[in-house]
Amino acid sequence: AQSVTQPDIHITVSEGASLELRCNYSYGATPYLFWYVQSPGQGLQLLLKYFSGDTLVQGIKGFEAEFKRSQSSFNLRKPSVHWSDAAEYFCAVAPYSSASKIIFGSGTRLSIRP
Amino acid sequence: DTEVTQTPKHLVMGMTNKKSLKCEQHMGHRAMYWYKQKAKKPPELMFVYSYEKLSINESVPSRFSPECPNSSLLNLHLHALQPEDSALYLCASSQDPGGTDTQYFGPGTRLTVL
Repeated sequence: AQSVTQPDIHITVSEGASLELRCNYSYGATPYLFWYVQSPGQGLQLLLKYFSGDTLVQGIKGFEAEFKRSQSSFNLRKPSVHWSDAAEYFCAVAPYSSASKIIFGSGTRLSIRP
Repeated sequence: DTEVTQTPKHLVMGMTNKKSLKCEQHMGHRAMYWYKQKAKKPPELMFVYSYEKLSINESVPSRFSPECPNSSLLNLHLHALQPEDSALYLCASSQDPGGTDTQYFGPGTRLTVL
């Protein structure tokens, strides 16, 4: 069965510092991979997605993620965080056969230190 | 317009009540989804509608009854709920149910069952 793991429950970084959020997946083949962000009391917004091709994916709000097949990872990065980036971040996976059936990781809460 | 709207924003109901959640999109999307999100947990897929037909039911109890009256509207009818059903209910839509299209999420309905 496919699964996705986010090992960090909560991360705090200083404003202007770089950010990396970790995500590992378990799946027999290369799945579809996503990063979503959820602000308090809000729905989810897609930051970026990987289906195939270039393993470095650019997203919105200055985020990027790198797919590493050898490590079964899809880590999210941002070179300089802003206070408005404080939110919950979810990595997600869907089977190659259907992007409808998304399974979310447990989430990483990002706090920004002024 | 990439907006998915959900009403009501908040709902409090007793275990004997019948209520409905409503979701609407005007992006011409042919797939619509219901997710349940408990506090501090990731969203969990409940139902998927593809071209107005139910295509995925993730073994959801029958006290939750989805309905898709037309391609723009998705309802979730609630009856005889339990306190553990209290959660944020998220609706989403995507262009193509089986493809690689982005799911756009609404802000959710926060449901409390007394």
